Amino acid sequence: GDSVTQMEGPVTLSEEAFLTINCTYTATGYPSLFWYVQYPGEGLQLLLKATKADDKGSNKGFEATYRKETTSFHLEKGSVQVSDSAVYFCALSGYGNFNKFYFGSGTKLNVKP
Amino acid sequence: GAGVSQSPSNKVTEKGKDVELRCDPISGHTALYWYRQSLGQGLEFLIYFQGNSAPDKSGLPSDRFSAERTGGSVSTLTIQRTQQEDSAVYLCASSLDKDQPQHFGDGTRLSIL
Repeated sequence: GDSVTQMEGPVTLSEEAFLTINCTYTATGYPSLFWYVQYPGEGLQLLLKATKADDKGSNKGFEATYRKETTSFHLEKGSVQVSDSAVYFCALSGYGNFNKFYFGSGTKLNVKP
Repeated sequence: GAGVSQSPSNKVTEKGKDVELRCDPISGHTALYWYRQSLGQGLEFLIYFQGNSAPDKSGLPSDRFSAERTGGSVSTLTIQRTQQEDSAVYLCASSLDKDQPQHFGDGTRLSIL
């Protein structure tokens, strides 16, 4: 069945460091891929998405490229800020089956000043 | 407000009692999702509504769980004869349509004593 695997956290970085959070998926067909973020004390919110191979989603300095050949959707940011401290969830929705979303277990990011 | 509203925000109840959780989606959103987030776990998909109907109920963890949506708007998730393993944060999300990004509520934190 469809599934998402993302790197375990917590990830601790200093401000202005480069961030990568790995995400790989297993799915039939061509799923849509998402990154959601949960800031402390807040609900989940969509960060970015990509709906087909080689698409790059971007928002707030974060980027992720839909790589079908490696079944990956790694999240990157060139220079993190303290305000980026949050839990990041990789997710997919099944191709032709938007009844279900599959989420990774979340990666907690701590950015130190 | 303009966001997804869930109530109550916190619920503490004794084992064996029934609980009802409410979700008020963003006006005009036809798709509505329920998830569960247990301590240290990722999001677990429970059920999805398109309008008032739920095409797929297989994500509900047991027959003690049921959900309904009336008028294409408010949804309730009911857990009968609660067990301690039901303790979790229950999240609701809505989207304009089934293939659109989801907007999440803040969740209901359920604690079963």
